[in-house]
Amino acid sequence: QVQLQESGPGLVKPSQTLSLTCSVAGDSIGNGGYYWSWLRQHPGKGLEWIGYVSYRGTTYYNPSLKSRLTMSVDTSENHFSLALTFVTAADTALYYCARQGAAAPGTYYFDYWGQGVLVTVSS
Amino acid sequence: DIQMTQSPSSVSASVGDRVTITCRASQDISRWVAWYQQKPGKAPQLLIYAASNVQTGVSSRFIGTGAGTDFTLTITYLEPEDFATYYCQQASTFPPAFGGGTKVESK
Repeated sequence: QVQLQESGPGLVKPSQTLSLTCSVAGDSIGNGGYYWSWLRQHPGKGLEWIGYVSYRGTTYYNPSLKSRLTMSVDTSENHFSLALTFVTAADTALYYCARQGAAAPGTYYFDYWGQGVLVTVSS
Repeated sequence: DIQMTQSPSSVSASVGDRVTITCRASQDISRWVAWYQQKPGKAPQLLIYAASNVQTGVSSRFIGTGAGTDFTLTITYLEPEDFATYYCQQASTFPPAFGGGTKVESK
């Protein structure tokens, strides 16, 4: 059974950097075959895909967030990370990490998710 | 970018009812749609992929149909545990996009 677990501060001050890590168990990121993604959900709202990192470190970001995003992967530790700079109150959300299919167009769905971590941006 | 328009935004139903949720893509995405169920305080759970394939462990009450731009998720017999919010997602191209969600509530 694949399990993902997000970790990171639940409170970030405006203009600072939001940093989260997702630890993976039950699958090895280095095996390839999947993208490792971040998504978020604003309170009471729908789902927004933030971006992915591959086992090789290749990234693809949502254009709406691209200028503030950095994602990285550590295959030796089997985890991947997100950094979102210059945060504002609009970045307050529940952040999820998830495993995303990567085999071909049509497989880009999310089959395993972390439980989510609420990040609040406030001074 | 491809947009997904989901309807209705909410539906009131009773145990035993048949519930249908629709999703329309802004362009042809073949069969590349996934459906998720989300319960309060929980992460979304994959129900259906490639429009009609039921994810392992998911009840056969959930049926997905459609191709091109129009897709449907049907819950054939609503059970108490099915009251939740449902999302469609286009899995064809990047960036992946979700519909706005449909909340299935108890009548």
